[in-house]
Amino acid sequence: EAGVAQSPRYKIIEKRQSVAFWCNPISGHATLYWYQQILGQGPKLLIQFQNNGVVDDSQLPKDRFSAERLKGVDSTLKIQPAKLEDSAVYLCASSSSFRGSGNTIYFGEGSWLTVV
Amino acid sequence: GQQVMQIPQYQHVQEGEDFTTYCNSSTTLSNIQWYKQRPGGHPVFLIQLVKSGEVKKQKRLTFQFGEAKKNSSLHITATQTTDVGTYFCAGLMNTGFQKLVFGTGTRLLVSP
Repeated sequence: EAGVAQSPRYKIIEKRQSVAFWCNPISGHATLYWYQQILGQGPKLLIQFQNNGVVDDSQLPKDRFSAERLKGVDSTLKIQPAKLEDSAVYLCASSSSFRGSGNTIYFGEGSWLTVV
Repeated sequence: GQQVMQIPQYQHVQEGEDFTTYCNSSTTLSNIQWYKQRPGGHPVFLIQLVKSGEVKKQKRLTFQFGEAKKNSSLHITATQTTDVGTYFCAGLMNTGFQKLVFGTGTRLLVSP
């Protein structure tokens, strides 16, 4: 079974530039998550989708971050304009459902962003 | 807000010594999950505990979920250099939908 695919793996941009990350979840997984992990910290949930609807985006900095999952499969996370503090690993994850317990979340390898 | 704290932040042991990390949530959890993240890698799912007081073992790893479903622990017996990494607990909070909140992590270093 293929895992969660993310691209690009690494990106270096200057502050105030924009960047986009792409994620393809595990086939059949309705729930997709974007986490931000700053070096030395635990992953922080930015946004959670169920199919193409947003379930939780309470920690997404909406003035500069946006995410979409138009067809309920792939997702894109965009940052515009980027700030130095956005330097982090952006982890995409998926699970088969978001209701009830017992649903394992699988992570992609992450997209490493450095803002200079 | 909902918080999941872990202690210690960091531990350095000699190979063969035991290691324990503790996880505490500010709210009652539906379940607790544990992940391991190697340096430069992504979190990899280890195990999930659902029932109050549940204990599960995976070879040298023992996981425990507290009676109140607000705390958990991971104990590694006789550590090996392959155990190096950061161990995260993640609490599943039932806020009408499934929300997984990661702990602050414990970084384990094992010297041969």
